Amino acid sequence: AQKITQTQPGMFVQEKEAVTLDCTYDTSDQSYGLFWYKQPSSGEMIFLIYQGSYDEQNATEGRYSLNFQKARKSANLVISASQLGDSAMYFCAMREVNYQLIWGAGTKLIIKP
Amino acid sequence: GAGVSQSPSNKVTEKGKDVELRCDPISGHTALYWYRQRLGQGLEFLIYFQGNSAPDKSGLPSDRFSAERTGESVSTLTIQRTQQEDSAVYLCASSLWGSKEKLFFGSGTQLSVL
Repeated sequence: AQKITQTQPGMFVQEKEAVTLDCTYDTSDQSYGLFWYKQPSSGEMIFLIYQGSYDEQNATEGRYSLNFQKARKSANLVISASQLGDSAMYFCAMREVNYQLIWGAGTKLIIKP
Repeated sequence: GAGVSQSPSNKVTEKGKDVELRCDPISGHTALYWYRQRLGQGLEFLIYFQGNSAPDKSGLPSDRFSAERTGESVSTLTIQRTQQEDSAVYLCASSLWGSKEKLFFGSGTQLSVL
């Protein structure tokens, strides 16, 4: 069974609009962490945001926020006021207690001018 | 160094040859990971090091793949008798060990097996 599911293989969004990238996860651990990474066409993986399973507040990092709904096992990434430079692949990942990161298949986001 | 360094950045080899991929993690990072990323796909876990030991080798796809780490620093991923299906980007990442560690990635080695 998929442990990390990103249901949107690709998205087109108008510049300056907000965008939500979906991520659902499956784990029986009580302690886990959720990550979002960005991978531009240049190939490097860039850390965006982290949410711990015991964190009560949704994580925010500048224009990025994580909409964490624990009961629904979802950890959607919200990008406010999208910019052309946000065009990239976005990966959701989960770390369980055995420390290994499990990755989703990614969402390709394209920002239209 | 300031970031994770991987070499070579590109490697073209013939089927059946052995290749070595190198990763220099950020100084002081105790955890080191190797991932494989095929074109247009997500990351596939290969192996994890904590210090010089590898508690999890479960992701290595076959016995042609091996990795080592020395001095809690440099790691080498070796692929013996390369096959065309080994063609991919091999990414290395390192992190501090902690509950909120984030991974710092290198820019990867693009391996092409002809």
